[in-house]
Amino acid sequence: GESVGLHLPTLSVQEGDNSIINCAYSNSASDYFIWYKQESGKGPQFIIDIRSNMDKRQGQRVTVLLNKTVKHLSLQIAATQPGDSAVYFCAESSSGGYNKLIFGAGTRLAVHP
Amino acid sequence: GAVVSQHPSWVICKSGTSVKIECRSLDFQATTMFWYRQFPKQSLMLMATSNEGSKATYEQGVEKDKFLINHASLTLSTLTVTSAHPEDSSFYICSAPQDRENTEAFFGQGTRLTVV
Repeated sequence: GESVGLHLPTLSVQEGDNSIINCAYSNSASDYFIWYKQESGKGPQFIIDIRSNMDKRQGQRVTVLLNKTVKHLSLQIAATQPGDSAVYFCAESSSGGYNKLIFGAGTRLAVHP
Repeated sequence: GAVVSQHPSWVICKSGTSVKIECRSLDFQATTMFWYRQFPKQSLMLMATSNEGSKATYEQGVEKDKFLINHASLTLSTLTVTSAHPEDSSFYICSAPQDRENTEAFFGQGTRLTVV
């Protein structure tokens, strides 16, 4: 289903620490998941994706974990930098959805020096 | 990577007027594009699926007569907000997938609409 966030939760971290952003998705039929980063006034920027036949995928400084049993997705950012400050959204899609993405509520990441 | 461009980046219009927003895929053809709306401090809400050469598919609760979508070519989809009201003020974003498989969807930079 669709997710609407009235207030974005905020995760505050110190520069250099690791960040973990969580997301609960709603559709058990979803088989493709993406994490996006959105800076103020801009469109979403792709970070990393994962398919349902995997439970972990790593990129540069980022790792996505997928737990299908509890319909939970997480994004781990290593050595968080001030430039990582943004709002992060998870998005889900199902086969045949042709990239029709349903977005989660979002989390604001604030990185402090 | 593939580029999706929106125009304009921002627009201010008077209540009752109509506003057209363009979404272009610059280096690939997109038979399908998606339109999202985002209110401040909220998530992206899917409004409709734009299909080249056929009618758009609207999500539940989205007025098709108010948000007109035209996908006349493989590289251009337009969203027209008709008879705009202040409550239509929002950030409108389009996306275009490069192929039929579920892969990275490319987003435009968004259009900030303010209705006064």
